Amino acid sequence: DTGVSQNPRHKITKRGQNVTFRCDPISEHNRLYWYRQTLGQGPEFLTYFQNEAQLEKSRLLSDRFSAERPKGSFSTLEIQRTEQGDSAMYLCASSTSINQPQHFGDGTRLSIL
Amino acid sequence: AQTVTQSQPEMSVQEAETVTLSCTYDTSENNYYLFWYKQPPSRQMILVIRQEAYKQQNATENRFSVNFQKAAKSFSLKISDSQLGDTAMYFCAFTFRTGANNLFFGTGTRLTVIP
Repeated sequence: DTGVSQNPRHKITKRGQNVTFRCDPISEHNRLYWYRQTLGQGPEFLTYFQNEAQLEKSRLLSDRFSAERPKGSFSTLEIQRTEQGDSAMYLCASSTSINQPQHFGDGTRLSIL
Repeated sequence: AQTVTQSQPEMSVQEAETVTLSCTYDTSENNYYLFWYKQPPSRQMILVIRQEAYKQQNATENRFSVNFQKAAKSFSLKISDSQLGDTAMYFCAFTFRTGANNLFFGTGTRLTVIP
């Protein structure tokens, strides 16, 4: 059990650019979540995968955001045409079942110049 | 709408003393879990303790215990014998036992343990 791994740890980009983050969940965790945490706030749910299927998306996930989990293992979160308001920590979490707690990664901190 | 309220943005406690962090939540559902997560500075979110809403007995994990009052929708965390390593942001959260099982978080309480 190596924990949830997220890359990169930090991303600085100019407004309008596209960015992609990666999350590697704990092996055999079939449930994967993305959250966004802005300064001084708790994490907010973005989207949820069970295996490769994206089963739920928050209204926070605008059409500039897309997430995939192609083979039910790692997941990517892409933001197109980044805006200042996208600056945040993006957290990934995984779990084995609905009765088990979620394990979080270290997050990717996105800064928009 | 589901909401979690943590009314104490910051708290401090002397090392070895006891501190209680408050949390209230609002949901019309009846089947859920409650959690306290700890987020040390620049480090990952770690589960501290979990409570199943259908259990009346309060959960305990070593120095951490909760006071769960379901009717009042209150879920406070007590930390006994506070240690310097307890310094962190503490988030109260809940999730339903059905559906996506995503977490709803409060805004957090920043706890500082003073040597």
